[in-house]
Amino acid sequence: GAGVSQSPRYKVAKRGQDVALRCDPISGHVSLFWYQQALGQGPEFLTYFQNEAQLDKSGLPSDRFFAERPEGSVSTLKIQRTQQEDSAVYLCASSFDMENGYTFGSGTRLTVV
Amino acid sequence: KQEVTQIPAALSVPEGENLVLNCSFTDSAIYNLQWFRQDPGKGLTSLLLIQSSQREQTSGRLNASLDKSSGRSTLYIAASQPGDSATYLCAVSPWNQGGKLIFGQGTELSVKP
Repeated sequence: GAGVSQSPRYKVAKRGQDVALRCDPISGHVSLFWYQQALGQGPEFLTYFQNEAQLDKSGLPSDRFFAERPEGSVSTLKIQRTQQEDSAVYLCASSFDMENGYTFGSGTRLTVV
Repeated sequence: KQEVTQIPAALSVPEGENLVLNCSFTDSAIYNLQWFRQDPGKGLTSLLLIQSSQREQTSGRLNASLDKSSGRSTLYIAASQPGDSATYLCAVSPWNQGGKLIFGQGTELSVKP
């Protein structure tokens, strides 16, 4: 597609429920990043893939967060046993190379009730 | 640890004014710096990307400068318009960290007609 596509756009989860957020990057983009943006804050790095390899997961806040990109294209961010503090917008970005910057998706707004 | 700070947090100006948004970062070992625009409920749109070897970039009414040694960047918006109202985010890509971005908290700009 022409841009980075994220689904669902909105997700309401009950506390303790597992959720899965999907990111479809631009075709051919090697790098894929996940960010978490709390209300009124700048995005914070979660994890990074180069093709199917997860090269940096230092930003994942706990072991309840897990990301995968098994075929080097679509990525899924999974959050187990959601907590209220997980409520945020989750942004995905993809890039062909650093010289050309990044394209961000519109994000998934997760609300944990 | 790289930290990015944006000043001011919010800015309101009348239409037609020229304005400057400021960004500072603590570690000069960066690969590049980007300015993004974020509209409410939307993802990030890349405005300007400055490589570490460059001093400035221009696009239309926007001009971004980079002084890596002092850890500062400015985004200059000429002849502001109500359509420029949005949150502007500055982000640096630290050297040798795979391209992940460290964001400031943003400046919320309101341009009044």
